[in-house]
Amino acid sequence: GNSVTQMEGPVTLSEEAFLTINCTYTATGYPSLFWYVQYPGEGLQLLLKATKADDKGSNKGFEATYRKETTSFHLEKGSVQVSDSAVYFCALPHYYGGSQGNLIFGKGTKLSVKP
Amino acid sequence: DTAVSQTPKYLVTQMGNDKSIKCEQNLGHDTMYWYKQDSKKFLKIMFSYNNKELIINETVPNRFSPKSPDKAHLNLHINSLELGDSAVYFCASSLRSTGTGRYGYTFGSGTRLTVV
Repeated sequence: GNSVTQMEGPVTLSEEAFLTINCTYTATGYPSLFWYVQYPGEGLQLLLKATKADDKGSNKGFEATYRKETTSFHLEKGSVQVSDSAVYFCALPHYYGGSQGNLIFGKGTKLSVKP
Repeated sequence: DTAVSQTPKYLVTQMGNDKSIKCEQNLGHDTMYWYKQDSKKFLKIMFSYNNKELIINETVPNRFSPKSPDKAHLNLHINSLELGDSAVYFCASSLRSTGTGRYGYTFGSGTRLTVV
């Protein structure tokens, strides 16, 4: 079945530093790929997504490109802010049969940004 | 506000008790899910319902019983609570016709269950 591997944290950066969080996947076909963010004490929010190969998802200064050659969907941001401190999850669908499925998540990467 | 709402937000209870968590969505979605997040932030699917029909039932103890009275509600009842049940439980919803793969899910804000 489909699976996702995400770099483990925690990641600690200074404000305005460049961020990369690695995510690689194993999948049948070319499923959509997602990044979710979880701020302290809150639920998960969709940060960005890409639905096909070579697509670039972007939101709030974050970007990720769907690379089928390297089966990767790395999350990047050019200049992080303290408010970006959160846990980030890479995700993709796992199908049981037909269209039945659910999202499976990486283990999460905790990002802490210091002023 | 359109959302997925869970109640209660916090639940502290003693071992052996029975408790329920409720979830409601007003997004017009037809599929709802329960996920468990452990202390290391790992998320694992527990159950999924589509139009009141159970479609995903992962390896979860029988003490956990989901119920979906209609497609906008999904509740989770837990019998004989154990220390290991302490976790954050998230409800989520999606629209199956658009495919899980295209638009992802909308999550509730979670229920933090602490068993003492």
